[in-house]
Amino acid sequence: DTAVSQTPKYLVTQMGNDKSIKCEQNLGHDTMYWYKQDSKKFLKIMFSYNNKELIINETVPNRFSPKSPDKAHLNLHINSLELGDSAVYFCASSQEGGAHNEQFFGPGTRLTVL
Amino acid sequence: GDSVTQMEGPVTLSEEAFLTINCTYTATGYPSLFWYVQYPGEGLQLLLKATKADDKGSNKGFEATYRKETTSFHLEKGSVQVSDSAVYFCALKDSGGSNYKLTFGKGTLLTVNP
Repeated sequence: DTAVSQTPKYLVTQMGNDKSIKCEQNLGHDTMYWYKQDSKKFLKIMFSYNNKELIINETVPNRFSPKSPDKAHLNLHINSLELGDSAVYFCASSQEGGAHNEQFFGPGTRLTVL
Repeated sequence: GDSVTQMEGPVTLSEEAFLTINCTYTATGYPSLFWYVQYPGEGLQLLLKATKADDKGSNKGFEATYRKETTSFHLEKGSVQVSDSAVYFCALKDSGGSNYKLTFGKGTLLTVNP
């Protein structure tokens, strides 16, 4: 019954590797997001997709490439991982991206780059 | 651009104490305002929201009133419990072109002691 799910929950990897985080929502929403939470708990939008189209790309390095195969999935692929990529990454979804509509968040993926 | 400023923590209270977490915002349009809560090791959950001026959001004993004249959305609870210990985030969603993302404050860590 999980509304927004992410895998894996924890990801530990070496610098320079390529990794992916998967996100799925079963709420029937048409908009999905990726947020990054740093070690000080600060949350910042990375990407937003509406109906599989990229809407927001907030000055994220092009090593980060989101992919939305369908409305229910938004995966995040990261190339050439760097130490500074260590963070918790949250996926979220909402309906239509309207100002009144709340976003539902996944449990997060804690990425540690060694 | 849009921004949210909330009081920095950490905030430490005894059980049954009164809680206020201040939040002010700047936005170009007519934003909706949200409080999200993050319990330890979990993702974000919507606590309450308000979509227009003078609206009051409430949930689980928490309240916040959308004050357009002071651009504020302070979170209050009359009697906190140990189970309220979490990080609280104030956020806005603009009604203009940026309505596909939430802009968050930096979060306030609340610890409630028995």
